[in-house]
Amino acid sequence: SQQGEEDPQALSIQEGENATMNCSYKTSINNLQWYRQNSGRGLVHLILIRSNEREKHSGRLRVTLDTSKKSSSLLITASRAADTASYFCATANYNQGGKLIFGQGTELSVKP
Amino acid sequence: DAGITQSPRYKITETGRQVTLMCHQTWSHSYMFWYRQDLGHGLRLIYYSAAADITDKGEVPDGYVVSRSKTENFPLTLESATRSQTSVYFCASGVGGSSYNEQFFGPGTRLTVL
Repeated sequence: SQQGEEDPQALSIQEGENATMNCSYKTSINNLQWYRQNSGRGLVHLILIRSNEREKHSGRLRVTLDTSKKSSSLLITASRAADTASYFCATANYNQGGKLIFGQGTELSVKP
Repeated sequence: DAGITQSPRYKITETGRQVTLMCHQTWSHSYMFWYRQDLGHGLRLIYYSAAADITDKGEVPDGYVVSRSKTENFPLTLESATRSQTSVYFCASGVGGSSYNEQFFGPGTRLTVL
């Protein structure tokens, strides 16, 4: 069963707007990661946030984690057409070794 | 070039045939993973390996076999392909362990079983 569930499933915005994607999960985690997948390509790691962190930034990306609500959000600021892709959250529990459990993803479309 | 590669990139086969998908990484990562990606199911883990000669089942292992005799290679075999195994298959590798387990993905193999 999927650990992460993402919301919304699809998001369409104009260039320059901010995009927010949410991820909820069910069990305890050690870290949560966000990946991006361009059409027809493999996933690319964007950012990792540990369970003892609440917020993390990387360029135009901002990730928050609320372990009490078992949820995370990914904010992309000042979006560009090149940000068009699917975005996946993935959770890690070290008791399960190196495995990640992925959500079903949010499909982001940024219109120029 | 360093990285993770998969072959073939596209494969069409028939029901009942054996198919092997290859995965090769040049980082000497301990962990390697096989996922399948299907609409409505996201990425699901098939098998993973923590080191050479150590493999373990993931969420959807039935119908698949893996081996890992060398750290850099992690082939996935469909012993008798079925239509339900039509999917896009991704191999990934990572340092794994308890502190930092970012995964690096290959470009994928699109498999069609007729």
